[in-house]
Amino acid sequence: NAGVTQTPKFRVLKTGQSMTLLCAQDMNHEYMYWYRQDPGMGLRLIHYSVGEGTTAKGEVPDGYNVSRLKKQNFLLGLESAAPSQTSVYFCATVHRGRVTEAFFGQGTRLTVV
Amino acid sequence: AQKITQTQPGMFVQEKEAVTLDCTYDTSDQSYGLFWYKQPSSGEMIFLIYQGSYDEQNATEGRYSLNFQKARKSANLVISASQLGDSAMYFCAMRNNDMRFGAGTRLTVKP
Repeated sequence: NAGVTQTPKFRVLKTGQSMTLLCAQDMNHEYMYWYRQDPGMGLRLIHYSVGEGTTAKGEVPDGYNVSRLKKQNFLLGLESAAPSQTSVYFCATVHRGRVTEAFFGQGTRLTVV
Repeated sequence: AQKITQTQPGMFVQEKEAVTLDCTYDTSDQSYGLFWYKQPSSGEMIFLIYQGSYDEQNATEGRYSLNFQKARKSANLVISASQLGDSAMYFCAMRNNDMRFGAGTRLTVKP
């Protein structure tokens, strides 16, 4: 039982390149979230999804796009990476009904040079 | 929009003593959930405790308890009998549909 898996774990991008981060969960959770965490700071919500086929903007959505075509996967895309997007990205999932905790992936460390 | 405030950037506590980490929130929703997470220097997010807005009893999990005061919109974390391994960043979060985090408190446990 893997829980929440983020792919990749590390990545270095050049300015202007694009990439997609994958969050995969095997717990059948409806809610999924993408965050970024800059050094010494808290987690800021980028986008989230309340179910398959739905997405919504969070606190810092600019420069990112997301898709939730399958319930188990939530993809975060950077179309044209900028150095300001250097950060650690976390994915989290929550069950709709039986909320006991939010389950986190291990994080993706992204560096844009 | 929901707002979570943690007013203590850093806290120190002596080993074996209790410590309270403050968290206040702002929402107009009646149904929401409150979480506390620990983030050690290794970076992973470790779940500590959860409180639902309709839960009448304060949540407890081992040495962790959540002092939930709904009218004051506060959800403070109490850690009893602090251990050296409790040194970490602590984050409060609130969830309705979206889920937002406070800026965190860095707790240092002194031997």
